[in-house]
Amino acid sequence: SQQGEEDPQALSIQEGENATMNCSYKTSINNLQWYRQNSGRGLVHLILIRSNEREKHSGRLRVTLDTSKKSSSLLITASRAADTASYFCATENMDSNYQLIWGAGTKLIIKP
Amino acid sequence: DGGITQSPKYLFRKEGQNVTLSCEQNLNHDAMYWYRQDPGQGLRLIYYSQIVNDFQKGDIAEGYSVSREKKESFPLTVTSAQKNPTAFYLCASSLLAGDTQYFGPGTRLTVL
Repeated sequence: SQQGEEDPQALSIQEGENATMNCSYKTSINNLQWYRQNSGRGLVHLILIRSNEREKHSGRLRVTLDTSKKSSSLLITASRAADTASYFCATENMDSNYQLIWGAGTKLIIKP
Repeated sequence: DGGITQSPKYLFRKEGQNVTLSCEQNLNHDAMYWYRQDPGQGLRLIYYSQIVNDFQKGDIAEGYSVSREKKESFPLTVTSAQKNPTAFYLCASSLLAGDTQYFGPGTRLTVL
């Protein structure tokens, strides 16, 4: 079952610009995770934010979580061509028996 | 060199044949997962295992089977009962269920 919904579905920006992707979900969560997938490859974990956290940083990545709005955003600053990938959010819900529930992803294209 | 491996990378199968996809990890993780990904889509959970000798059905288990006889290995069999098996299959593991997941490179299965 899909819970997370990423927005936008696709995003194309110039290298050096910032990219923002959003994720909305429906039920109460323990944590929310962001992953990256390069074309035809496996997924790579980027960052995990717990339900009692509001913001986390990792290098050029900034993730926010608003549990009142049931939404999260991923900001990539100073984008590079290598950031071109699909980005997925996944939630660990309180009643999901430890499964991760995945969104459909945002396809990000960085134009050189 | 720790990690999670999947083999083969590409697999072709004739209709009516069963086929087994391999997934091995040397991360000493308890939990392992199998996902299916269709073009432009997110991940859908087929089966997961929280501990050796135990596994549970995910959202789309029909036509698939798994075993977890060893902690390191979680093979997936795609049976002839799976109506539309052509897809990208991803295996993942996590230290415990609900933790960050680490993904293999995937197997692309094509039914001819």
